[in-house]
Amino acid sequence: DSGVTQTPKHLITATGQRVTLRCSPRSGDLSVYWYQQSLDQGLQFLIQYYNGEERAKGNILERFSAQQFPDLHSELNLSSLELGDSALYFCASSAGQISGNTIYFGEGSWLTVV
Amino acid sequence: GQQVMQIPQYQHVQEGEDFTTYCNSSTTLSNIQWYKQRPGGHPVFLIQLVKSGEVKKQKRLTFQFGEAKKNSSLHITATQTTDVGTYFCAGRGGSNYKLTFGKGTLLTVNP
Repeated sequence: DSGVTQTPKHLITATGQRVTLRCSPRSGDLSVYWYQQSLDQGLQFLIQYYNGEERAKGNILERFSAQQFPDLHSELNLSSLELGDSALYFCASSAGQISGNTIYFGEGSWLTVV
Repeated sequence: GQQVMQIPQYQHVQEGEDFTTYCNSSTTLSNIQWYKQRPGGHPVFLIQLVKSGEVKKQKRLTFQFGEAKKNSSLHITATQTTDVGTYFCAGRGGSNYKLTFGKGTLLTVNP
């Protein structure tokens, strides 16, 4: 158990819909990262927050947004969903803001868009 | 932008054989990390390399960071069925906060 909690574990939704994925980082970790993992694209970095502020942005679509709340939990919002958005979404956390720190991954949220 | 290439994409070995995966970055890295993801699981941190030419060992696993800090390798000696999974390298360049992952090498081991 990495200490990073993600909900829901599985989600099936229709195209055009909007979903929210939730993440609670390890106790004491200030950085939260979101990654998308699909078979053909591997592990794609989406976005990083540190202590409530956006720190780095990766290949995150405009239809996707994220935020980190004062209690350090984070949410990833995916809207106008398309079939290609079906993937495993990982949240990860680390103590510091630079990714030289060890990153601990949650178990992921499986999103299926039908 | 920074790219991290990892080869091979797949590797199937007989139990007891050695295995190596290679990672190459398009830019100089400040550090590189290695992760293992078991089938159906999540990536788990294995190790971090920081210094040029650094070599670290964990039992049967040997990790190397190139002299130019642009490449790295993971070598497993005498593979076991418990080694099955996808091995990812992930590199960070300079002041970039972003950790860029390679696409991983899926290792399967035939008992």
